[in-house]
Amino acid sequence: DQQVKQNSPSLSVQEGRISILNCDYTNSMFDYFLWYKKYPAEGPTFLISISSIKDKNEDGRFTVFLNKSAKHLSLHIVPSQPGDSAVYFCAASANFGNEKLTFGTGTRLTIIP
Amino acid sequence: DTGVSQDPRHKITKRGQNVTFRCDPISEHNRLYWYRQTLGQGPEFLTYFQNEAQLEKSRLLSDRFSAERPKGSFSTLEIQRTEQGDSAMYLCASSARTYGYTFGSGTRLTVV
Repeated sequence: DQQVKQNSPSLSVQEGRISILNCDYTNSMFDYFLWYKKYPAEGPTFLISISSIKDKNEDGRFTVFLNKSAKHLSLHIVPSQPGDSAVYFCAASANFGNEKLTFGTGTRLTIIP
Repeated sequence: DTGVSQDPRHKITKRGQNVTFRCDPISEHNRLYWYRQTLGQGPEFLTYFQNEAQLEKSRLLSDRFSAERPKGSFSTLEIQRTEQGDSAMYLCASSARTYGYTFGSGTRLTVV
């Protein structure tokens, strides 16, 4: 069963516009959520995270929003830059990050110059 | 410190052969994880160590797979009698705490 779902396999966004990547989860035990970015032939790189006690966390151009009632989170990138083109994975963990990560299937983001 | 190092980067092996991968974590990190990623999927948890103790193993880790972390430093992942379904990217990660941990570049295994 897919406990973390990213329903959009790909997304194309014009440079300078906002990119919104979505993620849904089913396991109510998850209380810590992370976004990773992956370039080809490299391992995933940590981007930003959020604890279930918050509904928003911001770091520069990246903001993650968490809607616990809907079991939904989203990553906003603004403004989008060509270097943001990569595969983005949503991941979730229980026990406030002290458990293993469960990943979604990823969304390939392409920024169009 | 240059991060998490994995060796080899690529491995092609014939079905039925044994393979071993190595992971060198960031030196001050006491937690080490192994994940597997197949095409079109996200990384899937295999096992993790805290220091030298293997604390959790996924049901994905069949009896052909074994992982060790002697002395709580580097780790090895061995696959015996490889099958074509073992073809994947094997990722190692380390952390001082779980969240935001650092991944290596992975070992891509191709079983022919």
